[in-house]
Amino acid sequence: DTGVSQNPRHKITKRGQNVTFRCDPISEHNRLYWYRQTLGQGPEFLTYFQNEAQLEKSRLLSDRFSAERPKGSFSTLEIQRTEQGDSAMYLCASSLALTGLTDTQYFGPGTRLTVL
Amino acid sequence: AQKITQTQPGMFVQEKEAVTLDCTYDTSDPSYGLFWYKQPSSGEMIFLIYQGSYDQQNATEGRYSLNFQKARKSANLVISASQLGDSAMYFCAMRELNTGNQFYFGTGTSLTVIP
Repeated sequence: DTGVSQNPRHKITKRGQNVTFRCDPISEHNRLYWYRQTLGQGPEFLTYFQNEAQLEKSRLLSDRFSAERPKGSFSTLEIQRTEQGDSAMYLCASSLALTGLTDTQYFGPGTRLTVL
Repeated sequence: AQKITQTQPGMFVQEKEAVTLDCTYDTSDPSYGLFWYKQPSSGEMIFLIYQGSYDQQNATEGRYSLNFQKARKSANLVISASQLGDSAMYFCAMRELNTGNQFYFGTGTSLTVIP
């Protein structure tokens, strides 16, 4: 399978615990995005990387959230001191940005986080 | 203001009929891209079709076409010959070239295809 993969698919944690999610993009893709999606809503942008550089973060992104993409390959998203409001689907997407506007993103299956 | 507006929370269509899902957008950037994604109950977002702001013709991909009306800032998705497998959430999204690489998604439209 050469698509975007995410692990774990499901995570249940207690409030206050730290969690880490992993995303493996399509191998030749240079951009990687993280989104959060809650029930009944569209994906909400969190952050994105071009190669290993984190180029943009949403203003809505709490300082409890941190993302890395060492070596420009896989990425991790960590949430520290989780809160019940963090419960959501976390989606990763990757793209091969060559020119201009045609930055089509391909999504992974997501990690569903439940904070008890 | 919302960047992407999808005003139809739910739509029904008879199998083999065509259906139009509405999307309007708001931007002052002359360079932007518009995307439609399908999200089945399994949760994975599937790319359907893309339209660039400078494209002269409406995009088409198989049974999907995008009715791009630039002056009205609308980018409606038309699905022809609906199939039962088309039942899913559909999201319209936009990327503005000159204001970073953030993608803005609408709230989605739930499409149900009736046999």
